[in-house]
Amino acid sequence: DGGITQSPKYLFRKEGQNVTLSCEQNLNHDAMYWYRQDPGQGLRLIYYSQIVNDFQKGDIAEGYSVSREKKESFPLTVTSAQKNPTAFYLCASSIVGSLQETQYFGPGTRLLVL
Amino acid sequence: QKEVEQDPGPLSVPEGAIVSLNCTYSNSAFQYFMWYRQYSRKGPELLMYTYSSGNKEDGRFTAQVDKSSKYISLFIRDSQPSDSATYLCAIGGTSYGKLTFGQGTILTVHP
Repeated sequence: DGGITQSPKYLFRKEGQNVTLSCEQNLNHDAMYWYRQDPGQGLRLIYYSQIVNDFQKGDIAEGYSVSREKKESFPLTVTSAQKNPTAFYLCASSIVGSLQETQYFGPGTRLLVL
Repeated sequence: QKEVEQDPGPLSVPEGAIVSLNCTYSNSAFQYFMWYRQYSRKGPELLMYTYSSGNKEDGRFTAQVDKSSKYISLFIRDSQPSDSATYLCAIGGTSYGKLTFGQGTILTVHP
């Protein structure tokens, strides 16, 4: 089955620790995205990538980093600089090529701070 | 002013009711409009997609777009308890791949 997988489902971070969230897709999509979801705030874009080895900051990139070494994979690192990391993190992907780019989402990772 | 405004609810209706969910947007350059459904602790799934003013129907769901008023709606007919979820509007078209999401409306359909 084609789709997007995210792991782990739950992640616990200690103060001062960097943690990495995994996102893999087998849809052969060019573009991948990371969003953060907080209660009552909808989805906010952290980073996105339209091609391998290239990515752009979204609206709330501070305290996060990404890499795009393979088309299928777009891991997100939550660094110790992110002071309020507790949230639900969603990865998405889409086909690049037109303005009508429907995004498909993974199941999400819930990050909690110990 | 947020680019996309959505009433967060919560909205509680009896089974069988007609539900109306709405979003307004400020940028007239937006060209395409989506509705996502998100069950608790799950990722959003695409429900409806449209890019023109007017209505688009899919089963019990109807998406309506009024570009002149910058207003979009999702109607759910004969609502079911399984429709209980958060509904997110998403709007795009100003730059490749970027969507702007509403806050989401929490809907509960009780038997």
